[in-house]
Amino acid sequence: AQTVTQSQPEMSVQEAETVTLSCTYDTSENNYYLFWYKQPPSRQMILVIRQEAYKQQNATENRFSVNFQKAAKSFSLKISDSQLGDTAMYFCALDDKIIFGKGTRLHILP
Amino acid sequence: NAGVMQNPRHLVRRRGQEARLRCSPMKGHSHVYWYRQLPEEGLKFMVYLQKENIIDESGMPKERFSAEFPKEGPSILRIQQVVRGDSAAYFCASSPPGTGPNEKLFFGSGTQLSVL
Repeated sequence: AQTVTQSQPEMSVQEAETVTLSCTYDTSENNYYLFWYKQPPSRQMILVIRQEAYKQQNATENRFSVNFQKAAKSFSLKISDSQLGDTAMYFCALDDKIIFGKGTRLHILP
Repeated sequence: NAGVMQNPRHLVRRRGQEARLRCSPMKGHSHVYWYRQLPEEGLKFMVYLQKENIIDESGMPKERFSAEFPKEGPSILRIQQVVRGDSAAYFCASSPPGTGPNEKLFFGSGTQLSVL
């Protein structure tokens, strides 16, 4: 069975700092996709970043980057120069039906 | 270019009533996915539909729940004889033809169902 585990229920960091959100997963598939989704108070799910397992290069989207360790089944999200608008729930997810972790509530403090 | 539209945003039902949740995908999208989110939980997959076809309903409860995506009109998630445990946020997502959930999904803002 596929599982996704986020071990940090809640985190707080100062604005402009860098923060890393952890995610581990389990799957028997060799090729798969991993995602980080952001859910702000508006409740809408927004795709932050996507990683294809067969690609060794870590995905990057502006201030967001991942550290993908396939052997360790780890997929952490790094947010650089954090901004107040980054305050949200962050969900790690695994395909193909998009199995979601329980989320990390991130607070960016002014 | 409107995004994925879900209505109503909030729905209150008494136990035993029926709940109908609507989802209009983004223009040009032919794939619809329904997810359920319990408080402090991630989203859980329920069903994946294309126009007039259910592709994968492995996440749907066997009883009381049904979904459709007709040729014309929105996708409907129907819950019959609701119970308090059905209280949750229900999210719809869509993706363009030729893609699946591995591609980018566009989510609606969800319907919060409260069962009294």
